Amino acid sequence: QKEVEQNSGPLSVPEGAIASLNCTYSDRGSQSFFWYRQYSGKSPELIMFIYSNGDKEDGRFTAQLNKASQYVSLLIRDSQPSDSATYLCARYFSNYQLIWGAGTKLIIKP
Amino acid sequence: GAGVSQSPRYKVAKRGQDVALRCDPISGHVSLFWYQQALGQGPEFLTYFQNEAQLDKSGLPSDRFFAERPEGSVSTLKIQRTQQEDSAVYLCASSLGPTGDGYGYTFGSGTRLTVV
Repeated sequence: QKEVEQNSGPLSVPEGAIASLNCTYSDRGSQSFFWYRQYSGKSPELIMFIYSNGDKEDGRFTAQLNKASQYVSLLIRDSQPSDSATYLCARYFSNYQLIWGAGTKLIIKP
Repeated sequence: GAGVSQSPRYKVAKRGQDVALRCDPISGHVSLFWYQQALGQGPEFLTYFQNEAQLDKSGLPSDRFFAERPEGSVSTLKIQRTQQEDSAVYLCASSLGPTGDGYGYTFGSGTRLTVV
């Protein structure tokens, strides 16, 4: 199976709080995972990738991967209104093809 | 170029019309990908080129869809006899290495196709 599952949202978070976005996948062979941000009417832009179990931090963003439970999450600390967007989770299906979730719409309320 | 460039940005086609969508990848990028994104959905893989070779076209929805990259740089996605279900955003992406480099890839701004 190729599926990558995300809650479509919208997820509403107050400004300054932590936004938590989750993604589950069904293929235990999946190795690399990506979080992309997509503003309305724009193309996806890469935020983070992760391939090892555990946490990976980059500025206000932390990606978490748990291969045993088959989920990957993205935490956004100190959420800003500019973080309002759709967040897409993706994994490699082959060594070049990405399989995508449908995305979670995040709304940061001032 | 500095980024992946796609044209036109918007295209309205009458049902049955042929369309051609252009992608100009980042200079020197070996790999080029086409994805289709329907409203409210994640992108769906269409096809993959490594230089001028089309190594995977398994995602093309029908034989009305055709893609080429004759000189290993600019690519064109052609859709013949467009139908309403072809309405979507068509995204092109490129990466430096022969695969996705393990780091994902860079997308162009997309072409929004509306078939009326």
